[in-house]
Amino acid sequence: DQQVKQNSPSLSVQEGRISILNCDYTNSMFDYFLWYKKYPAEGPTFLISISSIKDKNEDGRFTVFLNKSAKHLSLHIVPSQPGDSAVYFCAASAEYGNKLVFGAGTILRVKS
Amino acid sequence: EAGVAQSPRYKIIEKRQSVAFWCNPISGHATLYWYQQILGQGPKLLIQFQNNGVVDDSQLPKDRFSAERLKGVDSTLKIQPAKLEDSAVYLCATERNSGGPQFFGPGTRLTVL
Repeated sequence: DQQVKQNSPSLSVQEGRISILNCDYTNSMFDYFLWYKKYPAEGPTFLISISSIKDKNEDGRFTVFLNKSAKHLSLHIVPSQPGDSAVYFCAASAEYGNKLVFGAGTILRVKS
Repeated sequence: EAGVAQSPRYKIIEKRQSVAFWCNPISGHATLYWYQQILGQGPKLLIQFQNNGVVDDSQLPKDRFSAERLKGVDSTLKIQPAKLEDSAVYLCATERNSGGPQFFGPGTRLTVL
């Protein structure tokens, strides 16, 4: 039972353009959402989060959008840089501070 | 501040052998998690500690996996005996108090032959 789904296994984007990574969830109890970035041989690194009371959160080049009615969130990276090439995981929890449920990840490749 | 430390980074064992992983959390982080990440999948929670007490171990295969967090700081995860399907990266994550993002260690890559 996949409660958090990242339907695109990979995405390739040209340097300087926008990268959009998508995530869908099925559990309506989820109210806190996070994005993590993972490089090979390293643990996931926290990128940005959003609570269900918001529909947008921005941090520098990274913006997360939440559409609760559609149970969908997305991560926008503008402009994309080669160093952004990594695996991006979407995660959700049913209560702030509760366990995280992760998606399978999307491999982002930013071409220079 | 120093990050989450894990050791060993890599381990190769034969099936039916035992193995143990160690995690040292970020100082002051009361909550500690162990995750299993199988290739091509996202991390899956095995166990959650709050200080030295277990909060959630519902997804821990207790017939072969065990974990402890003595004195509410370091934690160890043990597998005994290992199976082929236990091949994965084992990630430790910690959180300051209840809430906020989790911070992950580099993981231990286990290969069971």
